[in-house]
Amino acid sequence: DTAVSQTPKYLVTQMGNDKSIKCEQNLGHDTMYWYKQDSKKFLKIMFSYNNKELIINETVPNRFSPKSPDKAHLNLHINSLELGDSAVYFCASSQVPRAHLLNQPQHFGDGTRLSIL
Amino acid sequence: EDQVTQSPEALRLQEGESSSLNCSYTVSGLRGLFWYRQDPGKGPEFLFTLYSAGEEKEKERLKATLTKKESFLHITAPKPEDSATYLCAVQARGGGSQGNLIFGKGTKLSVKP
Repeated sequence: DTAVSQTPKYLVTQMGNDKSIKCEQNLGHDTMYWYKQDSKKFLKIMFSYNNKELIINETVPNRFSPKSPDKAHLNLHINSLELGDSAVYFCASSQVPRAHLLNQPQHFGDGTRLSIL
Repeated sequence: EDQVTQSPEALRLQEGESSSLNCSYTVSGLRGLFWYRQDPGKGPEFLFTLYSAGEEKEKERLKATLTKKESFLHITAPKPEDSATYLCAVQARGGGSQGNLIFGKGTKLSVKP
């Protein structure tokens, strides 16, 4: 009964390939997120998305694109993978965007460790 | 620019030795401050939310406090199972309509028996 689940847990691939990471949440939350945790363990927001609005961190290359087939899923697609994309990618969800719910905590998956050869 | 700084980067304690972790923040209007615990190979696990200066929250051996510039996570009589990385995050008014979090780099806590 995992709340936020990501697949795969590990992803090893060659430079230049295209790959996707899947995320599903069963919490009934309105908003989902993607974070990148680099080698120094620093977590940075990449995207936040609900069915009405996609907010993209301006530092994220356009090779990264979130795709949401429905409210419970937000997949991350990455084109033309580069060495610098190696990191752990975390999916999260929370109950926003109603204004009075903005302070609700985000719940995280266990991450996908992406390694580029 | 909104920023979160945690100190120390690493903390080693003996079992039963109480201490505090610090989270200093500069944000353009604080909506909320969050503490998370992260174990190796796992995602961050939510611990507390603090909304306003003077607020305190407790859970077992952990107590979080908040001022206008910083938050402390106090650990009383820690046990080895408290070993983890503790992350602080803030939600700022400039963080977008969907509540994006700004994280600190974390404090890695090791508790020896």
